[in-house]
Amino acid sequence: QVQLQESGPGLVKPSETLSLTCAVSGDSISTTYWWSWVRQPPGKGLEWVGEFHHSGVTHYNPSLKTRVTISVDKSKNQFSLNLSAVTAADTAVYFCAKNGGFYLEYWGQGTLVTVSS
Amino acid sequence: QSALTQPRSVSGSPGQSVTISCTGTSSDVGAYKYVSWYQLHPGKAPKLMIYDVTNRPSGVPDRFSGSKSGNTASLTISGLQAEDEADYYCCTYTGSPSYVFGTGTGVTVL
Repeated sequence: QVQLQESGPGLVKPSETLSLTCAVSGDSISTTYWWSWVRQPPGKGLEWVGEFHHSGVTHYNPSLKTRVTISVDKSKNQFSLNLSAVTAADTAVYFCAKNGGFYLEYWGQGTLVTVSS
Repeated sequence: QSALTQPRSVSGSPGQSVTISCTGTSSDVGAYKYVSWYQLHPGKAPKLMIYDVTNRPSGVPDRFSGSKSGNTASLTISGLQAEDEADYYCCTYTGSPSYVFGTGTGVTVL
């Protein structure tokens, strides 16, 4: 059974970079599948952030494209999310997930990141 | 890309059926057979309930079913149970490549 666990700072200052890591167990990052980040602002709906493939190909939400980077550490079987120049609007629960086909098959429990000075 | 439109809430008594609609456009829901549905309970990992419009992952009760007509997809829960009370989100692949989620629906079991 695939398990994903998000980790990172729960508080980030405005204009700084949000950095999160997703540790994967029960599967290898270096598979044919894609791996994703999704977020949910408090009281709001889900928003797709982006996805990556171990071959190095990434796809990002057009609304976040200029600020987001997803990268992978194959040696640790984990992948990361960096979101730069954050504002209060980036306050959200951030989820990592493993894609099946064109869907998100397994999810982590999520981690709350608050942007505040 | 605008969020797909879902009703804010639906409710039903135990044993009844409820249906959640998910309306998009001819560029997203209407264009692809890649609609999925997710169940969210507070503090828990979201759970995939339906993928590729109608398919149910292993372990998901057959009380959950999906369909699509034109630009609107639907999730039906038959024989509603207390544990079905949760938030539900639809999602579709939009090409680009990109994905868009629905606005979310809260299901209440009366």
